Amino acid sequence: DAGVIQSPRHEVTEMGQEVTLRCKPISGHNSLFWYRQTMMRGLELLIYFNNNVPIDDSGMPEDRFSAKMPNASFSTLKIQPSEPRDSAVYFCASSLRLRRGIGTGVEKLFFGSGTQLSVL
Amino acid sequence: KQEVTQIPAALSVPEGENLVLNCSFTDSAIYNLQWFRQDPGKGLTSLLLIQSSQREQTSGRLNASLDKSSGRSTLYIAASQPGDSATYLCAAMNSGYSTLTFGKGTMLLVSP
Repeated sequence: DAGVIQSPRHEVTEMGQEVTLRCKPISGHNSLFWYRQTMMRGLELLIYFNNNVPIDDSGMPEDRFSAKMPNASFSTLKIQPSEPRDSAVYFCASSLRLRRGIGTGVEKLFFGSGTQLSVL
Repeated sequence: KQEVTQIPAALSVPEGENLVLNCSFTDSAIYNLQWFRQDPGKGLTSLLLIQSSQREQTSGRLNASLDKSSGRSTLYIAASQPGDSATYLCAAMNSGYSTLTFGKGTMLLVSP
C-alpha cells in the first residue's frame, strides 16, 4: 500500500492567491482528517470526514478555508485568499472507522508526508 | 475541551540510556491514547495505541502506559539509539466524534 499521498510537498505562494492542497487516503479507509501544524500551536484538527461526509469542521479557522471530499479516494483543502499567517505544514490522515462517524478506540491514524505551505 | 501536555519539550541523552517521555491529558473520558513519532520534514508514524481499557502496550524497545484516573501516559524507551532521535507526540482520542487531540511533542536527541 502506498500510504496516504499528499500533493504538493511544498507550496510557495503570494498573499491573496488561491491554494489547493490534495490528499489521497489509503484505499479502504473511510475516515479522512486534515490537520495543520505550526510551532506555536502544534497539530490542530481542521476538518474530519467520514464516508465522504464532513462530520466536524469546527477547526476550520475562517471562511477562507474550505474542504471537499468528492469521493472515497480524494480530498482537497482550499485556502482563498491565502494570508502569511496560513503558513504551516498541512497534514492529511486516514483511518478505518468501524462505527459510522464515531471511533471505537481501536483505529490507528495514518498520516501523509504533509504539504509545507509558505505564503509570502 | 481536551488539552494534552507533554513534558519535557526537548530531551538530550547519550546512547544506551533508558528514558521516559511524559504525557498528561485533562479529560479522562478517552477512547484511547496514541503515541506517534515524527522525523524532520516527515509525517507522523503511529508507534503504540493504548485502548482505554488497557494499562500498557509494548513494541520492541518501546513501552507505553496509561493511567486514565490521573490523566497520564508515559512512553518508555529502553537502550536508546541515535536512530530514536525524533519528535514524539502523544494524542488522546476524545469521546463524541472521536477525533485526536495532540500534545506539542517532545523532541528527543540521542547522541552516539
